[in-house]
Amino acid sequence: ETGVTQTPRHLVMGMTNKKSLKCEQHLGHNAMYWYKQSAKKPLELMFVYSLEERVENNSVPSRFSPECPNSSHLFLHLHTLQPEDSALYLCASSQDTGKETQYFGPGTRLLVL
Amino acid sequence: GENVEQHPSTLSVQEGDSAVIKCTYSDSASNYFPWYKQELGKGPQLIIDIRSNVGEKKDQRIAVTLNKTAKHFSLHITETQPEDSAVYFCAARKADSSYKLIFGSGTRLLVRP
Repeated sequence: ETGVTQTPRHLVMGMTNKKSLKCEQHLGHNAMYWYKQSAKKPLELMFVYSLEERVENNSVPSRFSPECPNSSHLFLHLHTLQPEDSALYLCASSQDTGKETQYFGPGTRLLVL
Repeated sequence: GENVEQHPSTLSVQEGDSAVIKCTYSDSASNYFPWYKQELGKGPQLIIDIRSNVGEKKDQRIAVTLNKTAKHFSLHITETQPEDSAVYFCAARKADSSYKLIFGSGTRLLVRP
């Protein structure tokens, strides 16, 4: 248990659906991250938030929309996704963006039909 | 930008033997190199890390070595046990990017009982 939880753990959605992924960290950290993990590819950093402000948007398509209402919660809103967006979406947190150690949640396995 | 290559992609060893996973990086400015272990159904967990001012670091059965000149670093696991079976990821971070980790593509380690 790393102190980072994600819900749901599994999600199947159609290309016209709208869904949201949720991440919560119980570590008192100030920085949170979204990563995409596809089969046989390196983890890809998508978004970084520091003290609820976005500090990184790594050329992610607009069909992915992050939201960070406070330093403990992070959402990823999904709409009109494509089948190639199917992947494991990982949330992570760190004490702040200057601290290297990132703690990962278990991920949400997303399948887009 | 930084690129991290990881080899091998799969590794099978007999219980009790040693396992070595190697990574190379392209940016000589990188100065922090963590290793993560990802078990089935879980997010990556930091197992050991090394900074560029150190050549080797050990933690019980796990060690990491860094060769800055050759720009490669390796993970060594001795006396492997079945519970070491997992996917291992290396990563590199540039000095001017406190949070941006560039990950390798992962090594699936299987320890045969």
